[in-house]
Amino acid sequence: AQSVTQLGSHVSVSEGALVLLRCNYSSSVPPYLFWYVQYPNQGLQLLLKYTSAATLVKGINGFEAEFKKSETSFHLTKPSAHMSDAAEYFCAVSDRGGYNKLIFGAGTRLAVHP
Amino acid sequence: ETGVTQSPTHLIKTRGQQVTLRCSSQSGHNTVSWYQQALGQGPQFIFQYYREEENGRGNFPPRFSGLQFPNYSSELNVNALELDDSALYLCASSPRQGYTEAFFGQGTRLTVV
Repeated sequence: AQSVTQLGSHVSVSEGALVLLRCNYSSSVPPYLFWYVQYPNQGLQLLLKYTSAATLVKGINGFEAEFKKSETSFHLTKPSAHMSDAAEYFCAVSDRGGYNKLIFGAGTRLAVHP
Repeated sequence: ETGVTQSPTHLIKTRGQQVTLRCSSQSGHNTVSWYQQALGQGPQFIFQYYREEENGRGNFPPRFSGLQFPNYSSELNVNALELDDSALYLCASSPRQGYTEAFFGQGTRLTVV
């Protein structure tokens, strides 16, 4: 069965500092991996996705993530945090066949302080 | 291009009642999935509809049911509401079955009292 673990339910950084949000997955087949962002009282917006092309994936708003098969990780990074990055971030995995349901982690709330 | 729209945005129901939530998929998308997001948790897959047929279901009881219409819009119905059904219900559409990306609506916040 597939699963996602996000290490750290809350992460706090200073504006301009590096953002690192951790995600580890479990999958018996090569997965698709996603990072979504959720602002308060809103739905989910896709930041980036890995579908077996380049292992370093660039997304919107300056975010990127690296797929590391040996570590079963897909950590999200951004070199310099902005106040507008404060939100909830979800890592998700889906299989490559069937109906591609998404399995989400519990989320990491990112706080950015001046 | 219109995105995924859900209605209503907020809803309060009493335990034991029934509720219907609605979703209009993004133009050209024939696959719709529903997710339940309880407070402080990640979304959980309820089920998916493709060409008006249920095509995959998560670990939810039969009192959670759905429909997809010929225009690919969808409804989520929940019978015999329980307090634990209070959550944000998210609809997501995809251009076709098995497409790698799902496009989410803003959600319906259901409160059961």
